[in-house]
Amino acid sequence: NAGVTQTPKFQVLKTGQSMTLQCAQDMNHEYMSWYRQDPGMGLRLIHYSVGAGITDQGEVPNGYNVSRSTTEDFPLRLLSAAPSQTSVYFCASSYQPSPDTQYFGPGTRLTVL
Amino acid sequence: GENVEQHPSTLSVQEGDSAVIKCTYSDSASNYFPWYKQELGKRPQLIIDIRSNVGEKKDQRIAVTLNKTAKHFSLHITETQPEDSAVYFCAASRGYGQNFVFGPGTRLSVLP
Repeated sequence: NAGVTQTPKFQVLKTGQSMTLQCAQDMNHEYMSWYRQDPGMGLRLIHYSVGAGITDQGEVPNGYNVSRSTTEDFPLRLLSAAPSQTSVYFCASSYQPSPDTQYFGPGTRLTVL
Repeated sequence: GENVEQHPSTLSVQEGDSAVIKCTYSDSASNYFPWYKQELGKRPQLIIDIRSNVGEKKDQRIAVTLNKTAKHFSLHITETQPEDSAVYFCAASRGYGQNFVFGPGTRLSVLP
């Protein structure tokens, strides 16, 4: 098992550009989520999904879109990048939402100039 | 919504001493409380968790206690070692379909 994988590892964007952060898991987990981590802060939930075709907003959803067409993949789209979106993004998955261990991907470090 | 506070924000201990990190939560419906360890530049990894029907759980040098009445839970690390140095996050969740809310983290430094 590769676990949770994320691509790219690093990305630099200019303000206004759009891009998609990829997340995939091969553990047949129903629950997947996206977090952002800013310096000195905990992880804040952006969006989550309890299964294919079902997504919901977390604490900080503005400026981000998600979709879940398959169990394995949960991409995060930045519609028009802003400097405030500079952060480290983590994808996570678990067999069920709670209570269950969340497995985190290695993260994507995004810089928006 | 849920709010999780965590104290202290930084903690320095001598190798071999104990470390205690405390978290409080606001939503009485929360029923799952994990603790994650994050080393510099790495992903968060679960070290221990506790469910609302349990008051205490121990795994070797790590233990977690939960007081549902007071709405707080604590991480205890005994016989600390330099490799315990990391940022520790607590979190709370209320159940199926509900998201996790993380505390702001505690940076633990174990001094040799």
